[in-house]
Amino acid sequence: EPEVTQTPSHQVTQMGQEVILRCVPISNHLYFYWYRQILGQKVEFLVSFYNNEISEKSEIFDDQFSVERPDGSNFTLKIRSTKLEDSAMYFCASTEDPQIGNTIYFGEGSWLTVV
Amino acid sequence: QKEVEQNSGPLSVPEGAIASLNCTYSDRGSQSFFWYRQYSGKSPELIMSIYSNGDKEDGRFTAQLNKASQYVSLLIRDSQPSDSATYLCAAMDSSYKLIFGSGTRLLVRP
Repeated sequence: EPEVTQTPSHQVTQMGQEVILRCVPISNHLYFYWYRQILGQKVEFLVSFYNNEISEKSEIFDDQFSVERPDGSNFTLKIRSTKLEDSAMYFCASTEDPQIGNTIYFGEGSWLTVV
Repeated sequence: QKEVEQNSGPLSVPEGAIASLNCTYSDRGSQSFFWYRQYSGKSPELIMSIYSNGDKEDGRFTAQLNKASQYVSLLIRDSQPSDSATYLCAAMDSSYKLIFGSGTRLLVRP
């Protein structure tokens, strides 16, 4: 069964460093998302991406965050200057077409620890 | 503010019993609803989706939706210890993103 893959599975970084989290969505999917989950808290929406541009971003997704689809397969989340409060599990997700009720599939997540 | 509310639990049921999980949502524009299961430290895994009022059954799972009451539920029949996890209710809003509840922790006692 096709799946969303994410790398790295776990990254420890120093505060102030840049981090890039990578995702390979399911191949025929057109809508991509990043969510995050701080330990013990709910899954929160960060950003959605369609047709090579951001569709919507949350208040969390400030100027420190950016997303990119550099080629036909990868979808990346960059955090420019990490803060302690960025420590969380980051999930990439994708779907073929949510307008017709297609399921949103989640990757296994990337644990980010900022020290 | 779009919200999805769930009782955090834990909901403890004996093996073989029916577990009933509930969720309410605030956004009347939401049309699609999802139940995900999440094991500790893992990603959400889709259990059921439901789009129309009424019941939808899939194996041991039944999802129920009442749009007038803005209420979604999930019944798990013949609960197994392996069903012990956090169950996340999510509503898809009009911009096609999921709004998650905080999850209900289910414990199935052997």
